[in-house]
Amino acid sequence: GAGVSQSPSNKVTEKGKDVELRCDPISGHTALYWYRQSLGQGLEFLIYFQGNSAPDKSGLPSDRFSAERTGGSVSTLTIQRTQQEDSAVYLCASSSTRLQEQYFGPGTRLTVT
Amino acid sequence: QKEVEQDPGPLSVPEGAIVSLNCTYSNSAFQYFMWYRQYSRKGPELLMYTYSSGNKEDGRFTAQVDKSSKYISLFIRDSQPSDSATYLCASNAGNNRKLIWGLGTSLAVNP
Repeated sequence: GAGVSQSPSNKVTEKGKDVELRCDPISGHTALYWYRQSLGQGLEFLIYFQGNSAPDKSGLPSDRFSAERTGGSVSTLTIQRTQQEDSAVYLCASSSTRLQEQYFGPGTRLTVT
Repeated sequence: QKEVEQDPGPLSVPEGAIVSLNCTYSNSAFQYFMWYRQYSRKGPELLMYTYSSGNKEDGRFTAQVDKSSKYISLFIRDSQPSDSATYLCASNAGNNRKLIWGLGTSLAVNP
């Protein structure tokens, strides 16, 4: 079946612009996660959705970052007024009842110039 | 101190070698231990999943957890060039808790 998909695969934006990153989880997966991965920094947790609600937003680095999930499916991560330090690969993952078994998308590579 | 520590490497071995990858963790409440593999420019994929202490084997891969020393290991037998990737360990305390990730170890298996 279809895996997790993310779009766009690459995004180059100018400092100060807003960007939207999209994640389509595996059908039927109720849990959805956003991570950020920078070179040499490992996976940085951003936010976790269970259905449409976000019980854990503790990883969002600033109020410029927000995320929503609609219909228990697609999720959008929005970064407002992008900064150069936002440049990273943004990964989305989904899981069903066993939350440790996460299925990742290919990521969106964001470059802020 | 990070809750999950992992040597980033890089680790370089000849084809056919036995590879040992390791992590340590500090939270004694951790019960679930995972190894993910990440190829370059791809998302991580789950390789091994272990609950509590003990060994788990899957083909050429063996995951080992020693809760007394808070030590997690992944062994790869008869390593292949296709095993070249970054290996991330992850753990959590329960099914409703977020995963805590190691930084990943970069492995290169040379033909």
